[in-house]
Amino acid sequence: GQQVMQIPQYQHVQEGEDFTTYCNSSTTLSNIQWYKQRPGGHPVFLIQLVKSGEVKKQKRLTFQFGEAKKNSSLHITATQTTDVGTYFCAGGMGAGNNRKLIWGLGTSLAVNP
Amino acid sequence: GAGVSQTPSNKVTEKGKYVELRCDPISGHTALYWYRQSLGQGPEFLIYFQGTGAADDSGLPNDRFFAVRPEGSVSTLKIQRTERGDSAVYLCASSFSGGAGETQYFGPGTRLLVL
Repeated sequence: GQQVMQIPQYQHVQEGEDFTTYCNSSTTLSNIQWYKQRPGGHPVFLIQLVKSGEVKKQKRLTFQFGEAKKNSSLHITATQTTDVGTYFCAGGMGAGNNRKLIWGLGTSLAVNP
Repeated sequence: GAGVSQTPSNKVTEKGKYVELRCDPISGHTALYWYRQSLGQGPEFLIYFQGTGAADDSGLPNDRFFAVRPEGSVSTLKIQRTERGDSAVYLCASSFSGGAGETQYFGPGTRLLVL
């Protein structure tokens, strides 16, 4: 079936180090969304990528969508303790069907001060 | 404005009982989604409403699960004959019109524990 894989499952970094999480789909995606979930909280939308090869930046966060629209990455430069949480990618699977997002398992980020 | 709200925030029930979980979407949002999230997992899609109708219920795990949205706003997720494996956080989200790639705004979730 349709799957979205996300790696790594966990990442522990020292404050100031960079962090990257990768998302791979078994099928071509119509779009991909990224969410952040703090411990005990609910997912909060970060960004959506739609175009092949698209790159978007939000301050220290850089999001990329692969040329084949099957993979994506989130890179955080110079992590801070406020970046702690689980980062999920969620892919829309096609026209008319992309309201149902297929979610990755998330990457949990821990940051040592 | 107010975000998505869900009640109750926590629900403890016994195996075999019936539970109802409520979701109040953002006012004016026509699309409403239910997800289930187990510990250490990503949200698992259950059902999507466009207005009053269930446009996609392919994620409901079995016929013990049912959801309604009779007036196109508030939705209720109903679980019959609960099982221990139903324990999870049930998340509700809404979006403006359910269009392609729209941002989904999540509620705080209902933590269901089946003993």
